[in-house]
Amino acid sequence: QQQVKQSPQSLIVQKGGISIINCAYENTAFDYFPWYQQFPGKGPALLIAIRPDVSEKKEGRFTISFNKSAKQFSLHIMDSQPGDSATYFCAAPIQGAQKLVFGQGTRLTINP
Amino acid sequence: GAGVSQSPRYKVAKRGQDVALRCDPISGHVSLFWYQQALGQGPEFLTYFQNEAQLDKSGLPSDRFFAERPEGSVSTLKIQRTQQEDSAVYLCASSSGLFTYNEQFFGPGTRLTVL
Repeated sequence: QQQVKQSPQSLIVQKGGISIINCAYENTAFDYFPWYQQFPGKGPALLIAIRPDVSEKKEGRFTISFNKSAKQFSLHIMDSQPGDSATYFCAAPIQGAQKLVFGQGTRLTINP
Repeated sequence: GAGVSQSPRYKVAKRGQDVALRCDPISGHVSLFWYQQALGQGPEFLTYFQNEAQLDKSGLPSDRFFAERPEGSVSTLKIQRTQQEDSAVYLCASSSGLFTYNEQFFGPGTRLTVL
């Protein structure tokens, strides 16, 4: 069953703009929300993660915003650069199980 | 230091053949995961090892799929009698801890194509 729903499927942003990707989850047992970045031919790599005890976490140009009541979390990329062009996945662990459930992915293209 | 490595990077199999995919995790990592990633989709969990113990194999799609990690380091995912629907990228990840919030480090994957 779908437990993490990600949108949009694809996104085109101009260089210097803000990229926003959203995820909604269905299981309140989720207690850790990572975002992964994947380049073609490579495995996913952790970009940034948040625990639900905070509403926002910022690392450089990347920010996660978390809305527990709405069961949503989002990734914001400020001052987007062509090198940010990749596929982004949100994910969440299943409590009591050692595994991540991934969203469907967002293919981000930053136009120069 | 070396990351997670996987071999082969690409594998073409005829339907019905058996294949074996290898994962070398980061040295000392106790947790090891296998994921299947279909084209244009997110990775989907297959199985989890804590050292040599396979603690979760709930994601294995059929009894044709088998994974092992006999000495708690290198792992092999075996697929018997491959079918076209098995075509996907198989990702291995390892983690130094036992908690879901411990970062998982992914390998580059093995792209399996079944003809």
